[in-house]
Amino acid sequence: NAGVTQTPKFQVLKTGQSMTLQCAQDMNHNSMYWYRQDPGMGLRLIYYSASEGTTDKGEVPNGYNVSRLNKREFSLRLESAAPSQTSVYFCASSGLAGFGVNEQFFGPGTRLTVL
Amino acid sequence: QKEVEQNSGPLSVPEGAIASLNCTYSDRGSQSFFWYRQYSGKSPELIMSIYSNGDKEDGRFTAQLNKASQYVSLLIRDSQPSDSATYLCAVKWDTGRRALTFGSGTRLQVQP
Repeated sequence: NAGVTQTPKFQVLKTGQSMTLQCAQDMNHNSMYWYRQDPGMGLRLIYYSASEGTTDKGEVPNGYNVSRLNKREFSLRLESAAPSQTSVYFCASSGLAGFGVNEQFFGPGTRLTVL
Repeated sequence: QKEVEQNSGPLSVPEGAIASLNCTYSDRGSQSFFWYRQYSGKSPELIMSIYSNGDKEDGRFTAQLNKASQYVSLLIRDSQPSDSATYLCAVKWDTGRRALTFGSGTRLQVQP
């Protein structure tokens, strides 16, 4: 099992460019999440998807859109990148049965720089 | 706004000592609590989850939960240099949302 995979690992954009970050999980989890992590600020939730076909805003959704393509895949799109979106982006999933239902497992991250 | 607070550190302990990491949270109705370890440049890795008051032990790690005082702690016994990392506390609030709220993390340094 690969767990949670993310592409790309690194990306440099110019202000105003668009891009999509891809995430996939092979653990048959129902829920998937996108976080950003900035120095000294911990992980902040951008969007999440509780189950296939549903998405909801998190703490910092402005400037982002998401698509839950199927149960495995959850993508994050930046329509017009801004320097304030320079960050490390993590995708996570959860959904084991019982008490483990809220345990989240993370992908390796995408380091994005917007110039 | 619901918050999770951690001392940013660094917390420096000698090899072989017990490292004690603390976390407080603002919502008394919180259900579930998690500790993640994050090495520099890597993604967070789940090391412990705890759901009821008291202690939960897993190898060298012990999580302690006190819902009345709204804190959760992580003890690392026999600390090793390989334990040097940032430790993130995460809380699931008592709502329908499955999302977690993370603290900003405590950096632990274990000195050989």
